[in-house]
Amino acid sequence: QQQVKQSPQSLIVQKGGISIINCAYENTAFDYFPWYQQFPGKGPALLIAIRPDVSEKKEGRFTISFNKSAKQFSLHIMDSQPGDSATYFCAASTGGSARQLTFGSGTQLTVLP
Amino acid sequence: SAVISQKPSRDICQRGTSLTIQCQVDSQVTMMFWYRQQPGQSLTLIATANQGSEATYESGFVIDKFPISRPNLTFSTLTVSNMSPEDSSIYLCSVRGPSFGQYFGPGTRLTVT
Repeated sequence: QQQVKQSPQSLIVQKGGISIINCAYENTAFDYFPWYQQFPGKGPALLIAIRPDVSEKKEGRFTISFNKSAKQFSLHIMDSQPGDSATYFCAASTGGSARQLTFGSGTQLTVLP
Repeated sequence: SAVISQKPSRDICQRGTSLTIQCQVDSQVTMMFWYRQQPGQSLTLIATANQGSEATYESGFVIDKFPISRPNLTFSTLTVSNMSPEDSSIYLCSVRGPSFGQYFGPGTRLTVT
């Protein structure tokens, strides 16, 4: 019940395209859903996060869509750029950002020039 | 966001030895988290460290193997004891930042030979 399932495992997108990564969860007590971007040799960097009381949050080219009834959330990267090539992790926690995170398995995104 | 530093950034250690990893934050935080990221894998929580109390360990992680200290509100250490090649991973600390989010340090890349 604590798992967060992420798909796809890898994704290849052309420059300028839309990258979409999906996550699903079972634990309805989760109330904080962040996305992280990780480059090789670096720690995960917080991209954007959402709480379940909103259905969408946008920051620049990054948008989280949240479907509470389906227990799913997704990351959309608009106008994808080669510099976006990285591994993306979804995560979830109970008790907001102050609690430990349960991570998805990660998606390796490659944006072709 | 919080500024987090870790020392060492990387190390190569021999089997049977121990390594202590330091995590320093630029602001006072109540809770600090230690994660492990095995090569090519997602992040797994090792333990949660509150200042002034014993760390809380996740299933599969024990204090004898991963002792943690939390002497004040800006600092923590994680020791990887009696290392084996299976301990080769990236070790990351994270904290809740002053705004809505949980932030990670750059990680310590450990190789055990």
